[in-house]
This record gives sequence, structure tokens and C-alpha cells, in this order.
Amino acid sequence: EVQLVESGGGLVKPGGSLRLSCAASGFTFSSYSMNWVRQAPGKGLEWVSSISSSSSYIYYADSVKGRFTISRDNAKNSLYLQMNSLRAEDTAVYYCASSHILYRFTFDYWGQGTLVTVSS
Amino acid sequence: EIVLTQSPGTLSLSPGERATLSCRASQSVSSSYLAWYQQKPGQAPRLLIYGASSRATGIPDRFSGSGSGTDFTLTISRLEPEDFAVYYCQQYGSSPGALVTFGGGTKVEIK
Repeated sequence: EVQLVESGGGLVKPGGSLRLSCAASGFTFSSYSMNWVRQAPGKGLEWVSSISSSSSYIYYADSVKGRFTISRDNAKNSLYLQMNSLRAEDTAVYYCASSHILYRFTFDYWGQGTLVTVSS
Repeated sequence: EIVLTQSPGTLSLSPGERATLSCRASQSVSSSYLAWYQQKPGQAPRLLIYGASSRATGIPDRFSGSGSGTDFTLTISRLEPEDFAVYYCQQYGSSPGALVTFGGGTKVEIK
């Protein structure tokens, strides 16, 4: 059974930093692209970042480019999101999602999410 | 950036009825890159349809997707109680900073 478990969320002040982690199990992590998608309270879904299986290709939404860094450790079956210079508008539930084997930017399994709150 | 507009915003239907959800793109989208997700309150989204018309693993056949170009449709043939949720369409294209975009969602609520 595929499992994705996010951690690392919490309350942080504007301008602060936070590192999210996603622990994967139940599939061959190193073969799949991975993604972060967020959802502000009461709002819709927003794609944040994607990373290919070997980390060769990395993509960011314009809203986070230059502030967030996605990475992965295939030996540890883990995905990360380093978030710097956080703003109030970054407040959201952050989901880790695996990519469909055929369609890199179709998200077929999702974690339960971790809440990031940016507030003074 | 490709903008996806979903309509209606809310659909009020009874169990057993047919639901038709629309997703319109601001420019043409490859059918291979169009997906639909379901999200229930307090839960993560779940992939329903990929490639515009292929059902994801474990998705019942009452869910079907169709469309091409700029107009796509998710149809639920007969609503079950567990189908009342919010549905999002999603596409991916070639704009680097807006590689993936989601529609604003359609809420299917019990009438």
C-alpha cells in the first residue's frame, strides 16, 4: 500500500524558515517524480514544486521560486521542501504527492498534508 | 499560463442523479495532460481521471471523463452518498512558472 506521510509543519513568523519532509513507502520511490501541492484555508489547490526521480529536473511555481527548494533522498525514501522567507500567503496545508508512472504531472497518491501557518 | 474555469461553482443534486461538471481552459490543453480529482472535507485529494478519460486505480465506472481542446467534462452517472465532495480539474503545460494549474473546483452537494 502506498503511503506518504508529511511532517514539519507548524507556526512560523513572517520571514522565517521551515523544512517539510515526506516519508514514502509501499512503492519504488526512486522511480517516481514527486511533488508538493498546497491548499490555503478554505481555498483551492495550488501546485508548488516538482522533482524528477533522479533530481535532474526541478520545477517551481512562480509564487515560490527563489524562496523554496525541493529535494529528495532516494536512499531514505524521502522528499523535502525547504521554505525560506515565508509570507502570510504561504499559509496552507502542504501535500506531498507522487507522480503517475506515465504522466509526470498527474498526481496519483497524496499524503494527508501538514499545516504551515505564517503569522506574527 | 493556462487558466482552468470550472462550472458550476456548486451543483445541488440528489443521490441517484447524474452530475455533469465542466472544465474550460483558456487555451488548448493536450488531453493527455488533463486530470480530475475528488476532495472530501478534511481529506487529501484523490485522483479520479487522468489523460482526460482514463479512470485511476480503484475508481468506480460511474465516473467518466471526456473532452478535448479547451472543453472537458467529468460525469458521475448516478450519484452515491460518498460522491458528494469538491472536484478539481488540473492540467499541465509548458509555462515554466505555471507548469501545473488547477481549476477553482466544483462542489457537489446534497439537494
